[in-house]
Amino acid sequence: LAKTTQPISMDSYEGQEVNITCSHNNIATNDYITWYQQFPSQGPRFIIQGYKTKVTNEVASLFIPADRKSSTLSLPRVSLSDTAVYYCLVGDGRGDMRFGAGTRLTVKP
Amino acid sequence: DVKVTQSSRYLVKRTGEKVFLECVQDMDHENMFWYRQDPGLGLRLIYFSYDVKMKEKGDIPEGYSVSREKKERFSLILESASTNQTSMYLCASSFFRNNEQFFGPGTRLTVL
Repeated sequence: LAKTTQPISMDSYEGQEVNITCSHNNIATNDYITWYQQFPSQGPRFIIQGYKTKVTNEVASLFIPADRKSSTLSLPRVSLSDTAVYYCLVGDGRGDMRFGAGTRLTVKP
Repeated sequence: DVKVTQSSRYLVKRTGEKVFLECVQDMDHENMFWYRQDPGLGLRLIYFSYDVKMKEKGDIPEGYSVSREKKERFSLILESASTNQTSMYLCASSFFRNNEQFFGPGTRLTVL
């Protein structure tokens, strides 16, 4: 089972690009990598998902190297409203799923 | 928009009580999940279900059971609540196996 490790916290300033890396050395062939955002008193919300290489959507990019043992969530030009906890999830969508402990991102003015 | 609702936002129970947490989704999703969320530990999967009457254990099923009698509803049951089950409980659903999960707002359970 893939154990996921991510930094506990990060600080940034408005307008900067933020990269959050998740380590998952034991990722299995069938596992996908998914990132979620969580605000206080809410459930997590899907940001992006990928299997390998690079995925981009309207809010973020996800970079996955060839060995898939890590992944990096990239948030371009963050704003104060991006202050939240970001979770990395590795798994096959059923029982073998591992959330990281979460990275608390604080965006400062 | 997909909506996942949970029966209570806050719940206080006493040790030894039987506790029911209910989750309902309105998008005909196949898969439903129950997690608990604790500080520093992230989300841990308790049980999941990929079809009516089907269930599989997650990482921490001990002390919990589940029921899925209808596709839209997934219940988490604490047979005899204990203080170490004080936590935030989150329900989620997804359509396909590896598809994004939609989460409910959570139930903060306190067991005294």
